[in-house]
Amino acid sequence: KAGVTQTPRYLIKTRGQQVTLSCSPISGHRSVSWYQQTPGQGLQFLFEYFSETQRNKGNFPGRFSGRQFSNSRSEMNVSTLELGDSALYLCASSFGGGMNTEAFFGQGTRLTVV
Amino acid sequence: GENVEQHPSTLSVQEGDSAVIKCTYSDSASNYFPWYKQELGKGPQLIIDIRSNVGEKKDQRIAVTLNKTAKHFSLHITETQPEDSAVYFCAASSAAGNKLTFGGGTRVLVKP
Repeated sequence: KAGVTQTPRYLIKTRGQQVTLSCSPISGHRSVSWYQQTPGQGLQFLFEYFSETQRNKGNFPGRFSGRQFSNSRSEMNVSTLELGDSALYLCASSFGGGMNTEAFFGQGTRLTVV
Repeated sequence: GENVEQHPSTLSVQEGDSAVIKCTYSDSASNYFPWYKQELGKGPQLIIDIRSNVGEKKDQRIAVTLNKTAKHFSLHITETQPEDSAVYFCAASSAAGNKLTFGGGTRVLVKP
């Protein structure tokens, strides 16, 4: 069974640009969550999508947005990039449903903003 | 919102010894507590989890305990091996979806 796939693995962008990251969840999983990991702030929740709807949202500015497609694949977009957006962005895939279920992470996308 | 604190931030043990990592959480509505292991260059890997209706869970050399009254939970690794060296994260989640709040992480070094 294939795991969670995130593309691309590495990105270098310039301040002010925008970026789109992609996540393909485990087959059969309908929930996709996104996290930002930095040395200073640790792992922070961005948002969760379930059946194409945003179900939970963290405390990030509106520059961070996401969406989920009918095949459960998800994309995350960051507009007007700032140096502080440099981080490892992780996607987690869960079966979903009403109760918390095990979340499996991808290898992440390392974003560097210069 | 939920706040999870994790201690210690670093832990060095001799191979074969036990390692214990402790976490406390603030939201009494939290009912799911997973533990993740993250190796360099990789995403976090789920190693064990526990739900609030259970006090202890074991999986080979790994065990997790939960004290709902005190709002803390712990990871125990016995007979540590060099491949156990990694960063370990605890997390907590309530019934409202799959939002995980993570602790700050513990860097474990197992010395041969």
